[in-house]
Amino acid sequence: DVKVTQSSRYLVKRTGEKVFLECVQDMDHENMFWYRQDPGLGLRLIYFSYDVKMKEKGDIPEGYSVSREKKERFSLILESASTNQTSMYLCASSLKSQGRTEAFFGQGTRLTVV
Amino acid sequence: DAKTTQPTSMDCAEGRAANLPCNHSTISGNEYVYWYRQIHSQGPQYIIHGLKNNETNEMASLIITEDRKSSTLILPHATLRDTAVYYCIVRPYGQNFVFGPGTRLSVLP
Repeated sequence: DVKVTQSSRYLVKRTGEKVFLECVQDMDHENMFWYRQDPGLGLRLIYFSYDVKMKEKGDIPEGYSVSREKKERFSLILESASTNQTSMYLCASSLKSQGRTEAFFGQGTRLTVV
Repeated sequence: DAKTTQPTSMDCAEGRAANLPCNHSTISGNEYVYWYRQIHSQGPQYIIHGLKNNETNEMASLIITEDRKSSTLILPHATLRDTAVYYCIVRPYGQNFVFGPGTRLSVLP
C-alpha cells in the first residue's frame, strides 16, 4: 500500500512563528503536492513538485514556501505564521504520468495559529 | 475551477447501491475521470478512475457514458462507513487534481 505520512495530525503555533510541515511518501513517487482545505473553499493547491529540488506554485502560494531535497520528502514552510493560515493541510504524491495516475493523500495536519 | 458538477448531497439506505452522478460536459479526449472520497477529518481517499471504459475495483464501479460527458460512481452495497464527501475530478493532461465541493453522501441505517 502507498503510504503518505504527515509528521503531525494536530499543531498549534503562535503568530509570527516559522512552521515546518513535513510529508514523506514511501512509493518512490516523482510528484508531491501540498493542499490546504477550508470549509466552503474545498481543497486548494499551494505548491507542487515534479522532482527533487523542483517546485511549482499552485493556486495560493503566498505566505508559503516548500523544500524538496530528497525524493521522498516534501516540506511546507510557513515563514511567519498568521491566523489566516489556520487550516487543514494535506500532502499528496503520485507517479509522474500523463494524467492517468492517481494521487494518494496523507491524513492531514490540522494547524491552528493563535 | 473544477470542471465537474455534482449534487450537493444524497442519501442512501444501508445495504443498497449508492449511485453518485457527475457531469463533465467539457471533458477533453485525454482527460481522465477520477473519484475520491473524504471521511470527516481524514485525507481524501482514492476510489477509482477511468478514461472511457467502465471500470470496477474492490471498492466501486465507474460507469462513463459513451459521449464521456457524464459518469456515475456505484457503491454496490453501501455501509455506514461509506458516509463521506465524494469528489468527481476531471484531470487535465499533465496537470493537477482540482477538487470541487463534491457530494455529501449519507448512508442511513
